[in-house]
Amino acid sequence: RKEVEQDPGPFNVPEGATVAFNCTYSNSASQSFFWYRQDCRKEPKLLMSVYSSGNEDGRFTAQLNRASQYISLLIRDSKLSDSATYLCVVNRGSWGKLQFGAGTQVVVTP
Amino acid sequence: DAGVIQSPRHEVTEMGQEVTLRCKPISGHDYLFWYRQTMMRGLELLIYFNNNVPIDDSGMPEDRFSAKMPNASFSTLKIQPSEPRDSAVYFCASSRFLTGTQRDQPQHFGDGTRLSIL
Repeated sequence: RKEVEQDPGPFNVPEGATVAFNCTYSNSASQSFFWYRQDCRKEPKLLMSVYSSGNEDGRFTAQLNRASQYISLLIRDSKLSDSATYLCVVNRGSWGKLQFGAGTQVVVTP
Repeated sequence: DAGVIQSPRHEVTEMGQEVTLRCKPISGHDYLFWYRQTMMRGLELLIYFNNNVPIDDSGMPEDRFSAKMPNASFSTLKIQPSEPRDSAVYFCASSRFLTGTQRDQPQHFGDGTRLSIL
């Protein structure tokens, strides 16, 4: 079983719609969680950290469910520029080594 | 502010040749990471350094791979001899703290080196 699992998608989303997807992790000792965004042929960039209480950053909302060991990302009012691959990232226990999921592709269409 | 700088951006070489990838981390960042990304395996951590010292190289695939960090502003990842299965995008990343010890201390990635071994 992979340490971090994501639905690869693609999630095809009409512009203006809402899309949400999850990521599950296997290491219960994981302490830090992030969503990174990666555009085609570009480097990963931090989108947002995920806090225990859940957090929002503009149109993006991240949630953490420690009991079920998953995190989620919700994008409201999708823009064409939101088209990208979203990488779920979990720190591997207390060592600080990040484990990246394979990514969920989101395609926002006009 | 300058980000993480990697060179070359692209490298095409024949199998058996030595390949050297270079990275300049963000100034003041004490941690440097080398990753490899492929379609099959996603993003994998190869090795990371703290204050120029290799801390964990358990992700280095084989003895053909080696990494050095002679000073705080420069690191290399070397493959010798190279093989077609080494073809991938290699990213270097740096961070001020080790993720998990401080909130919102992400790793900043360079543009990557696209390596093709023929």
